[in-house]
Amino acid sequence: DAGITQSPRHKVTETGTPVTLRCHQTENHRYMYWYRQDPGHGLRLIHYSYGVKDTDKGEVSDGYSVSRSKTEDFLLTLESATSSQTSVYFCAISEPQLAGGVADTQYFGPGTRLTVL
Amino acid sequence: DAKTTQPNSMESNEEEPVHLPCNHSTISGTDYIHWYRQLPSQGPEYVIHGLTSNVNNRMASLAIAEDRKSSTLILHRATLRDAAVYYCILNSALNSGGSNYKLTFGKGTLLTVNP
Repeated sequence: DAGITQSPRHKVTETGTPVTLRCHQTENHRYMYWYRQDPGHGLRLIHYSYGVKDTDKGEVSDGYSVSRSKTEDFLLTLESATSSQTSVYFCAISEPQLAGGVADTQYFGPGTRLTVL
Repeated sequence: DAKTTQPNSMESNEEEPVHLPCNHSTISGTDYIHWYRQLPSQGPEYVIHGLTSNVNNRMASLAIAEDRKSSTLILHRATLRDAAVYYCILNSALNSGGSNYKLTFGKGTLLTVNP
């Protein structure tokens, strides 16, 4: 199994509080991703990173920020949590293969279940 | 992004083959077809991928139609451990010129395996 850990695994918080989720990898992969999974929506990409300090938005980035100061860590921050951000959050990693269109396999972490009351 | 269409659910019996279909009629020439699965309470895991030719690995086989507008994931002998949601995904470049690809997950097919 790819060395990906997420912390915390479960968190309950109140509306308006800041929350930071951590994704840690031991694979030295260049790309890291944050997804959220909600019933009826499947997995949706929040943000991704293509290198240290290089990040970009996914399809549902509003209300979230990310940071990557080291290759191995990718942090997802909810500056002021809302009930609509109650979800299961998955981190994933990948390492680009050859240039020119070779597909990258993504490896997923175990997930963090976040409940915002 | 090109879309995929999968049945919401399928059922199989243990030790029988399972054919999971996926339609992707708007696929572009550079889109790879990926399959991932998600076991209950776990993150998705990679199963197989292909571009034009059929592919086999230890987990499954991928049969791709000649026109690439559909594909089928084949589990040769289903086990109870194969009960999961199976996602058929077309990956597209995240940024121009990049070799990295974004995965857009649909709702997948929930596979139930009966003992």
